[in-house]
Amino acid sequence: DTGVSQDPRHKITKRGQNVTFRCDPISEHNRLYWYRQTLGQGPEFLTYFQNEAQLEKSRLLSDRFSAERPKGSFSTLEIQRTEQGDSAMYLCASSSDRGTGEKLFFGSGTQLSVL
Amino acid sequence: QKEVEQDPGPLSVPEGAIVSLNCTYSNSAFQYFMWYRQYSRKGPELLMYTYSSGNKEDGRFTAQVDKSSKYISLFIRDSQPSDSATYLCAMGKGGAGSYQLTFGKGTKLSVIP
Repeated sequence: DTGVSQDPRHKITKRGQNVTFRCDPISEHNRLYWYRQTLGQGPEFLTYFQNEAQLEKSRLLSDRFSAERPKGSFSTLEIQRTEQGDSAMYLCASSSDRGTGEKLFFGSGTQLSVL
Repeated sequence: QKEVEQDPGPLSVPEGAIVSLNCTYSNSAFQYFMWYRQYSRKGPELLMYTYSSGNKEDGRFTAQVDKSSKYISLFIRDSQPSDSATYLCAMGKGGAGSYQLTFGKGTKLSVIP
């Protein structure tokens, strides 16, 4: 399977704990995105990497959130001191800068529940 | 006013019906338009991509874009129970360094056998 892979699929944590999610993009894709989706809403953009460089960040990405893509391959999204409002599906997507780079391919997401 | 408006439904149709899903947008900077299908507890799956006004057809799916009215549509012919999902419209502004998509809320579709 060469799709976007996310791990874990589900995460339950207590308020105040730190959590980290991992995303492995499609292997030939150099662009990687993180989105957040809450119940009944469409995905909202969080941040975007081109290779290892983080080029765009949404105002939704508070200081408690940090994303990395150290070698331009997989990416991690860390949330520190989680709050109940962080409960959501965190989606990773990737695309290629060849041809129509606007076509994003999503993973199945990590469902975070903060108790 | 949100940049992208989409009726969340739910929409329920009998098998074989033609389904029409729509989005309106307010920002004329949007240049390309997509429709994604999302099954429960799964990530969005790209269905259709269009860059210009007009129609694009792919099997039972037709995407329509009217930039002058800031209105996009997705038509599903001969709908099947397996089409039951949430359909999300998405649009992007393009340009160097800007590849984020703005999504609608999604329309939940149920196709009844």
